[in-house]
Amino acid sequence: KNQVEQSPQSLIILEGKNCTLQCNYTVSPFSNLRWYKQDTGRGPVSLTIMTFSENTKSNGRYTATLDADTKQSSLHITASQLSDSASYICVVNDKAAGNKLTFGGGTRVLVKP
Amino acid sequence: SQTIHQWPATLVQPVGSPLSLECTVEGTSNPNLYWYRQAAGRGLQLLFYSVGIGQISSEVPQNLSASRPQDRQFILSSKKLLLSDSGFYLCAWSQVSDTEAFFGQGTRLTVV
Repeated sequence: KNQVEQSPQSLIILEGKNCTLQCNYTVSPFSNLRWYKQDTGRGPVSLTIMTFSENTKSNGRYTATLDADTKQSSLHITASQLSDSASYICVVNDKAAGNKLTFGGGTRVLVKP
Repeated sequence: SQTIHQWPATLVQPVGSPLSLECTVEGTSNPNLYWYRQAAGRGLQLLFYSVGIGQISSEVPQNLSASRPQDRQFILSSKKLLLSDSGFYLCAWSQVSDTEAFFGQGTRLTVV
């Protein structure tokens, strides 16, 4: 079964510090990979999208990387802010299943002052 | 522009009672539709997805069912709720040709 695994499940960082979240997937073939941010009690919102041929994509202080050979992606948050406290979810679409989206379990990030 | 409506926002139901959550999408046609559940402090769990009217795929065995009576309407139901059905339920849609999912505001269900 195609899966998307994320690590760590949760982490706490101090305001201003950097952190990196990991995503390993087995979905194949896929068109692209997205990272979403989900604030508590809200629906997820897309942060970045990368096609299988792209290696890196930035959105402000968020930088996503993709290694299609090892089937790994990472999301790097630079100079974290309190508003970065949220769950970050890696999502891959399953082309063989009509672009059905496969979500990872997410990483909960808590930024402390 | 496309919008997604999900209601109600919160719901408290007794064990054994029925459930019906409704989700509608506007401004698009033939979307892929999804129902997700998120337990407290946990990730999103895909419950059902649909690629067309009357086409429902269930991801996990459970006490819930889904229906898609119209192209842009997705309904999550249960005949008898269990305590374990409590959680945050999210409806989402995506274009078949795209991979971004757009989520409703969610329904916080508490079964007592």
